[in-house]
Amino acid sequence: QVQLVESGGGLVKPGGSLRLSCAASGFTFSDYYMSWIRQAPGKGLEWVSYISTGGATIFYADSVKGRFTISRDNAKNSLFLQMNSLRAEDTAVYYCARDRPTVSYWGQGTLVTVSS
Amino acid sequence: EIVMTQSPATLSVSPGERATLSCRASQSVSSNLAWYQQKPGQAPRLLIYAASTRATGIPARFSGSGSGTEFTLTISSLQSEDFALYHCQQYNNWPGTFGQGTKVEMK
Repeated sequence: QVQLVESGGGLVKPGGSLRLSCAASGFTFSDYYMSWIRQAPGKGLEWVSYISTGGATIFYADSVKGRFTISRDNAKNSLFLQMNSLRAEDTAVYYCARDRPTVSYWGQGTLVTVSS
Repeated sequence: EIVMTQSPATLSVSPGERATLSCRASQSVSSNLAWYQQKPGQAPRLLIYAASTRATGIPARFSGSGSGTEFTLTISSLQSEDFALYHCQQYNNWPGTFGQGTKVEMK
């Protein structure tokens, strides 16, 4: 069955960096667009970034453009999100997600807390 | 950006009753609207797409309607497992935007 397992979250100071990873299994990873979607405490969902099957097409929300970088390794069935210059407003649970334009498969989420 | 507004923020309903949730788009999204259910500590689950099509395995008590800017999710007879947070998502302009959510709580 489809599994998406995120890792790499944690507590970081403002201005710091984190790298999130998502290990995928149960499907042909290279056939699917992949996304990162986040949910700040008490807030709605926000689509942060997506990447096409081969990586040629990438989207970033305006709120993270220039600070976050999405990438994938199809040989290792893995998705990544490099987050730099983190701000308090980046505090959220980050979900790895498959499918478009709606999401049928989500990871369990990893919590990123940006605080001094 | 298309802004999605859900109402009410919280809906108090007794088990067995009908629940009606609303989602409004700031501009037309045609029928490109999805609904998700999210329970505490869990990821969202896709319920409805294309405004009215149930996703695989979703019970018939969940139904969606609407087009353009006004959408409704109806749960015909609330079960205990239906008390949760519900999100709408427009994907007319992909990747789309989500509403702030409606919490369905037990009355």
